[in-house]
Amino acid sequence: KAGVTQTPRYLIKTRGQQVTLSCSPISGHRSVSWYQQTPGQGLQFLFEYFSETQRNKGNFPGRFSGRQFSNSRSEMNVSTLELGDSALYLCASSMDPVVAVQETQYFGPGTRLLVL
Amino acid sequence: AQSVTQPDIHITVSEGASLELRCNYSYGATPYLFWYVQSPGQGLQLLLKYFSGDTLVQGIKGFEAEFKRSQSSFNLRKPSVHWSDAAEYFCAVIVGTGRRALTFGSGTRLQVQP
Repeated sequence: KAGVTQTPRYLIKTRGQQVTLSCSPISGHRSVSWYQQTPGQGLQFLFEYFSETQRNKGNFPGRFSGRQFSNSRSEMNVSTLELGDSALYLCASSMDPVVAVQETQYFGPGTRLLVL
Repeated sequence: AQSVTQPDIHITVSEGASLELRCNYSYGATPYLFWYVQSPGQGLQLLLKYFSGDTLVQGIKGFEAEFKRSQSSFNLRKPSVHWSDAAEYFCAVIVGTGRRALTFGSGTRLQVQP
């Protein structure tokens, strides 16, 4: 079974631009979560989507948004980019959090975003 | 709010030596506990997890962890470290209230000397 895939792997943007990152979960997985990893703040939860609905949201400004499609693929969008948005953005998928909240989350390789 | 503390930012061990990485959590009830490993330029790989039952948990790559409720700890151990174990290790907790968000510790970077 293929793992979680994220595209693109690397991205360079300038301040004020917007960016869209994509995540394809493991086949059969219905939940997708997004995390931001920076040297200063570490790994932080952004949001989780299940059945095209946002179920949980972390403490990030409204510039960060996401969505999930009917095939469980997910995208996250960051508008009006700031220098501090430079980070590794990780996507994780799991089968069905409604059944088992402790279910394992499988992570993709991440998208490294650099904002200049 | 729950939190996870990994007191050691950086640890260096010799190849073949034993390893223990510390993790303490702050939460009233028993959380669900995880250890992940991240190699440079890679995503996170799950090493092991604890939900309930036996407090000694076996994982992949020869790792194990022990949950100690009295100490609010979930330390990761390996009896003999290999050079390929050099990576960053993250302890994480999830609260079983329907939320799926993992709360991560700040990580411990492991360096292995030949």
